[in-house]
Amino acid sequence: IQLTQSPSSLSASVGDRVTITCQASQDISINLNWYQQKQGKAPKVVIYDAATLETGVPSRFSGSGSGTDFTLTISSLQPEDYATYYCQQSYSTPLYTFGQGTKLEIK
Amino acid sequence: QVQLVESGGGVVQPGRSLRLSCAASGFIFSSYGMHWVRQAPGKGLEWVAIIWYDGGNKYYGDSVKGRFTISRDNPKNTLYLQMNSLRVEDTAIYYCVREDFDYWGQGTLVTVSS
Repeated sequence: IQLTQSPSSLSASVGDRVTITCQASQDISINLNWYQQKQGKAPKVVIYDAATLETGVPSRFSGSGSGTDFTLTISSLQPEDYATYYCQQSYSTPLYTFGQGTKLEIK
Repeated sequence: QVQLVESGGGVVQPGRSLRLSCAASGFIFSSYGMHWVRQAPGKGLEWVAIIWYDGGNKYYGDSVKGRFTISRDNPKNTLYLQMNSLRVEDTAIYYCVREDFDYWGQGTLVTVSS
């Protein structure tokens, strides 16, 4: 299963609404997770099962979608949100794939 | 608290072998499957391998199948990755990750270069 994220990079300002998309090459139901990775750090999960917010993650993060099309939305961008975001499918468990990543930069 | 600490990375020549270790603490290691995930410098994440909680099943990504072997020692709370026939393209940070991808180690860097 291939995952295609868009855009590959994105410049946005504090307070902006940001949307990142992830498209799967086949139907993966809701088996899609989103990770945030800051420079030099390990990734951390922000959304799992397409739309469930991980404990401790701010409510400005949300996820939606099912089947082949998914989105991660940050409703009001904060300085600490600048990072690279990856989608990951867990439909074909125990085999997993990640999207290529979206780098979110300060405008 | 959950801790995953990788070790064993370093510089190795193409065609040689290396074994990574991951020391786990803060949870019942023998109850969880474990993954290795890698990230080439400046690149994205690539899932490498998974091992069942009891070591009974193992699965690999296509790029490492037949060259890498994942294993575990539950009494020692340790996960391993034996990497043989290393290639330049195996250069990456290797992360040890708990079953649900909820906890990640800090990673260990493997550089394959002549």
